[in-house]
Amino acid sequence: EAGVAQSPRYKIIEKRQSVAFWCNPISGHATLYWYQQILGQGPKLLIQFQNNGVVDDSQLPKDRFSAERLKGVDSTLKIQPAKLEDSAVYLCASSRRGGLAGELFFGEGSRLTVL
Amino acid sequence: AQSVSQHNHHVILSEAASLELGCNYSYGGTVNLFWYVQYPGQHLQLLLKYFSGDPLVKGIKGFEAEFIKSKFSFNLRKPSVQWSDTAEYFCAVNPSSGTYKYIFGTGTRLKVLA
Repeated sequence: EAGVAQSPRYKIIEKRQSVAFWCNPISGHATLYWYQQILGQGPKLLIQFQNNGVVDDSQLPKDRFSAERLKGVDSTLKIQPAKLEDSAVYLCASSRRGGLAGELFFGEGSRLTVL
Repeated sequence: AQSVSQHNHHVILSEAASLELGCNYSYGGTVNLFWYVQYPGQHLQLLLKYFSGDPLVKGIKGFEAEFIKSKFSFNLRKPSVQWSDTAEYFCAVNPSSGTYKYIFGTGTRLKVLA
């Protein structure tokens, strides 16, 4: 089966610019997660979708970050305007049933550098 | 707040040495536990998982982990490491109720010398 697809793999922008990342989860996976992984740290959950509804976005900086999952399939994460501290790898993951007795399947990530 | 601690940030071993990576979590309820691995240039992938039953779980590539409930620990072990085990290892906790949020530790970077 095809894995979790993410694009772009790399993006370099200047602060105050905007950027968008796209994720296509594994077919049939109801739950989709966006994680932020800063160098030297573990992945930090930004937002969790169950189908096309938001389950948890408590750690999403909503003044600059937004995410949507239209039709309960692929998802877009946007940052506008970007700050230097947003430099990180943005990981998308999916699981079958909200993580219940399941594992996360990760994409290869989108590495963002903010100058 | 729920958290996961990995005590060793960097570990360097020679081939054939034994490995133990520590993981402790703070959560009072029932949890599911995972170890994920990220090989250089690759995505995060599952190494092993614990949901219930035998607290000693075996994963891929000869790895195993032991859940000790009284110590809130889920340490990863391998009797004899290989050069190909060079990677970053992440412990993760998933409370067995609520939003099924996964909380990751900060990771341990393992380098195995040939």
